Amino acid sequence: SQQGEEDPQALSIQEGENATMNCSYKTSINNLQWYRQNSGRGLVHLILIRSNEREKHSGRLRVTLDTSKKSSSLLITASRAADTASYFCATDARGNTPLVFGKGTRLSVIA
Amino acid sequence: SAVISQKPSRDICQRGTSLTIQCQVDSQVTMMFWYRQQPGQSLTLIATANQGSEATYESGFVIDKFPISRPNLTFSTLTVSNMSPEDSSIYLCSVEAARNTEAFFGQGTRLTVV
Repeated sequence: SQQGEEDPQALSIQEGENATMNCSYKTSINNLQWYRQNSGRGLVHLILIRSNEREKHSGRLRVTLDTSKKSSSLLITASRAADTASYFCATDARGNTPLVFGKGTRLSVIA
Repeated sequence: SAVISQKPSRDICQRGTSLTIQCQVDSQVTMMFWYRQQPGQSLTLIATANQGSEATYESGFVIDKFPISRPNLTFSTLTVSNMSPEDSSIYLCSVEAARNTEAFFGQGTRLTVV
């Protein structure tokens, strides 16, 4: 299966700390994306990193991609209670295939 | 970007009945996707809804159980048929404005079968 694997499955941190989530995948990709889901609602796109990129920033988010290791990481700096959510990576493989989502990391930020 | 209106947002249904979920997009899109998210799990793709042709189902999902309609480029429905408690999940529709770009999601339908 192409499904990505995130770790950790759950992460609990204090407000102000940084949160790092990792994602591994199995096949060649066009891009890798990170999504956020609040309380079982719809997913919200956070950031997309293309296979020829190594690092990307968006506000407090930093994403890295290592295609040789087939892995990516999402760093949220200076976390806030409002960052509490589940975070999923999704891979967009080469060819006309739909996104495949990882298992997700449940992040809890304690005020 | 795309805005998706999905309804109902939640429902509690009796086993053996069917529920139809609707997704309306504010722009024309070629493909729409339907996902299932079982409690505490990730998203699993059910099928890709193509306008003007039958939906393409993923392994483990069949048309008789999850019939899909796609009458035009802005609308799709997913029906969960002959429901059992195992069908209790969140169902999500999604679109991509263009290939290899971000996906947009509806707010999800939280289905509980009793």
